[in-house]
Amino acid sequence: GQNIDQPTEMTATEGAIVQINCTYQTSGFNGLFWYQQHAGEAPTFLSYNVLDGLEEKGRFSSFLSRSKGYSYLLLKELQMKDSASYLCAVVSGGYNKLIFGAGTRLAVHP
Amino acid sequence: DTEVTQTPKHLVMGMTNKKSLKCEQHMGHRAMYWYKQKAKKPPELMFVYSYEKLSINESVPSRFSPECPNSSLLNLHLHALQPEDSALYLCASSQAPGGGSYNEQFFGPGTRLTVL
Repeated sequence: GQNIDQPTEMTATEGAIVQINCTYQTSGFNGLFWYQQHAGEAPTFLSYNVLDGLEEKGRFSSFLSRSKGYSYLLLKELQMKDSASYLCAVVSGGYNKLIFGAGTRLAVHP
Repeated sequence: DTEVTQTPKHLVMGMTNKKSLKCEQHMGHRAMYWYKQKAKKPPELMFVYSYEKLSINESVPSRFSPECPNSSLLNLHLHALQPEDSALYLCASSQAPGGGSYNEQFFGPGTRLTVL
């Protein structure tokens, strides 16, 4: 079966660091995406990992361990505008099929 | 142009109506996708078109009928929908149907559909 787990909600303080975890069990694996989605808006691309290790892009970093079926998204220097849902999505099978986790709603407060 | 556009933004329809959702991209992408998203839930894949051909149908009821008239356009024809079909319908596109970091899916803003 296909299973992707993320925490449902997280809260953090402006300026802090937060780590959002994602564990997955899928029948195939061709990479893992992280998307950000503000309420009522489209998901926007944050990062992609296919090899083990850390990918860094400005304030955002994403880590992957294929052997553990585990990824995390690290957000540094949190800003109020980072309050959003963060979706972990695994590319499984052909045709770039994305299987999304339920998403983590992050609330950043002053 | 790195944008996926969708029309209409909002749609209210009765269970006997026929309507269509439209999606357009001009990035030269050859894969296009329809997703359904209920409130506080992740997007769920409905259809994948690869080089204008239907590649994946995730067992979607026949009251949803996709169409890809050309490489830039994707339609979703709706007929005899049920109230439980009310959701945000997202269109996405990617360079090609395979995986890879170059193959991120770009999402449109969605059409919020309400079925009465």
